[in-house]
Amino acid sequence: DGGITQSPKYLFRKEGQNVTLSCEQNLNHDAMYWYRQDPGQGLRLIYYSQIVNDFQKGDIAEGYSVSREKKESFPLTVTSAQKNPTAFYLCASSIDWGQGYTFGSGTRLTVV
Amino acid sequence: GQQLNQSPQSMFIQEGEDVSMNCTSSSIFNTWLWYKQDPGEGPVLLIALYKAGELTSNGRLTAQFGITRKDSFLNISASIPSDVGIYFCAGPPTNAGGTSYGKLTFGQGTILTVHP
Repeated sequence: DGGITQSPKYLFRKEGQNVTLSCEQNLNHDAMYWYRQDPGQGLRLIYYSQIVNDFQKGDIAEGYSVSREKKESFPLTVTSAQKNPTAFYLCASSIDWGQGYTFGSGTRLTVV
Repeated sequence: GQQLNQSPQSMFIQEGEDVSMNCTSSSIFNTWLWYKQDPGEGPVLLIALYKAGELTSNGRLTAQFGITRKDSFLNISASIPSDVGIYFCAGPPTNAGGTSYGKLTFGQGTILTVHP
């Protein structure tokens, strides 16, 4: 079955370390997205990519970086420059710009 | 950019009660999407609406595309404990010509708690 996979589900890192969150989809979707969610809050867009080798900053891109070298993969790196990295991170994809998204099951990052 | 305002922000109800929530915008939308997020999981699409006035059901859920195209409603009948979660409305914004474009706009969510 096609889907979008985020790994790992839980991630712990020490303050000052960079960490990369994985997002892989086999839905043949062109567009992919990264969101951050804080407890009881809505979704805030970090980065998005409409097509391979292209990506754009979202509303809260500072302290994050991404790459889109393959259509299936859109990894997110949380750098040491991100002031408050502890959060729930969601990856999503869509067949086209503006279409409904399919979400992954999320990665909960805790930085201590 | 175009914003979606959801209300209420949170609801605490007893099992068996009906639930109503809505989503409004100052701009028109051509598509309304309703997602549910279970605790600790990613949002899942519940219902998609594509036409003003459209009423669509999915089991105990019913959603409506407002006639003005600036709002949408989601109703849950006879709530059960597994209805707990965050409900998001979403839609692609429209340009001055009324054409949908760009990435989805999400509401801030309605948090639903169901007491057994």
